[in-house]
Amino acid sequence: DAGVTQSPTHLIKTRGQQVTLRCSPKSGHDTVSWYQQALGQGPQFIFQYYEEEERQRGNFPDRFSGHQFPNYSSELNVNALLLGDSALYLCASSFTQVDEQYFGPGTRLTVT
Amino acid sequence: GQQVMQIPQYQHVQEGEDFTTYCNSSTTLSNIQWYKQRPGGHPVFLIQLVKSGEVKKQKRLTFQFGEAKKNSSLHITATQTTDVGTYFCAGLGGAGSYQLTFGKGTKLSVIP
Repeated sequence: DAGVTQSPTHLIKTRGQQVTLRCSPKSGHDTVSWYQQALGQGPQFIFQYYEEEERQRGNFPDRFSGHQFPNYSSELNVNALLLGDSALYLCASSFTQVDEQYFGPGTRLTVT
Repeated sequence: GQQVMQIPQYQHVQEGEDFTTYCNSSTTLSNIQWYKQRPGGHPVFLIQLVKSGEVKKQKRLTFQFGEAKKNSSLHITATQTTDVGTYFCAGLGGAGSYQLTFGKGTKLSVIP
């Protein structure tokens, strides 16, 4: 049974560029949440997708957007990248919107 | 917005000593979850507490949820080198909230 998978593993982008990160949830899960984890900090909630709709959003600007597909996989898009967007981006899936989160290995984004 | 504070930030213990980390929320929580993140890894779910005053045990780990559902603790008895990592508490807000708010974590080092 495959767990949560994310791609790519690492990414280097330049300020002002756009990036798309991808996530496939654990089998049987239909809810996907995205988190940003800066070095030495706890994960910060970006948003949650359920039934292909954004159900809740954390304190992140509109430059951060997402999508969920009918097969429950999800994408996180970040526009107009800033140096401060450099972080580990974690995708987590869950059985319901309030259940335990199963995290993927993350995508390490570096903005130069 | 909801804030979750966690102390201490770091803890160094001799192998065999006990360890405790404390978590405090600015608002009443519907549930609290605990995660462990090994160096270079991703958060892994440990447990979820839902009821006021709830206590749960997992081998050497004891988790408590406060009566007011605003604070929680994790206690590890007789630490082992395999306990090394960062422990995060994460609180889920009131009814209708799907945002999991993480504390900054407690980084545990175990000296053999």
